[in-house]
Amino acid sequence: DTAVSQTPKYLVTQMGNDKSIKCEQNLGHDTMYWYKQDSKKFLKIMFSYNNKELIINETVPNRFSPKSPDKAHLNLHINSLELGDSAVYFCASSRRTPQETQYFGPGTRLLVL
Amino acid sequence: AQKVTQAQTEISVVEKEDVTLDCVYETRDTTYYLFWYKQPPSGELVFLIRRNSFDEQNEISGRYSWNFQKSTSSFNFTITASQVVDSAVYFCALRGFEGDKIIFGKGTRLHILP
Repeated sequence: DTAVSQTPKYLVTQMGNDKSIKCEQNLGHDTMYWYKQDSKKFLKIMFSYNNKELIINETVPNRFSPKSPDKAHLNLHINSLELGDSAVYFCASSRRTPQETQYFGPGTRLLVL
Repeated sequence: AQKVTQAQTEISVVEKEDVTLDCVYETRDTTYYLFWYKQPPSGELVFLIRRNSFDEQNEISGRYSWNFQKSTSSFNFTITASQVVDSAVYFCALRGFEGDKIIFGKGTRLHILP
């Protein structure tokens, strides 16, 4: 009965590779998010989807491409991985109304060698 | 523009002491929402509290309490009788009424020493 789940939990890969991270929520929310947390613990939003529609697209390299097959899933594909992509990536979900709390997945720790 | 400032980067206290984590925010919205999240060493982000801008009542939940002061744009978090399990990074966050984004502060790393 996990609310927001992400796979994989850890991802170690070589520079230049392509990788995907998957996220699923079973809270019945209509909005999902991807955040990046850097080594200094700073959390920054990358993308958000509402009912499969992109609503937030921060200044993120276009090597990052989110995909939402349905409102319960939001995947993140990263092409041509670079050393600077090493971080923890968090998925979150909420209802879109402003007062709603965002609930976070456990995070995916990506290390690019 | 919206901004959240957590001026305390790191705090260490001895177990059983009380500790207050400061959060100051900036927003032009008249309606907005404030949040605190906890990130323990295991890494997950745990929601602690949400406060609406039109509700200035302070809140207490066990050893945790929150002091919302609109006049000073602050939403401080106090842990009473701290325990080692309270050791974590704590994030304050803000969401405006119009936007879809939550803006996070840079976090305060709290060490509770046995």
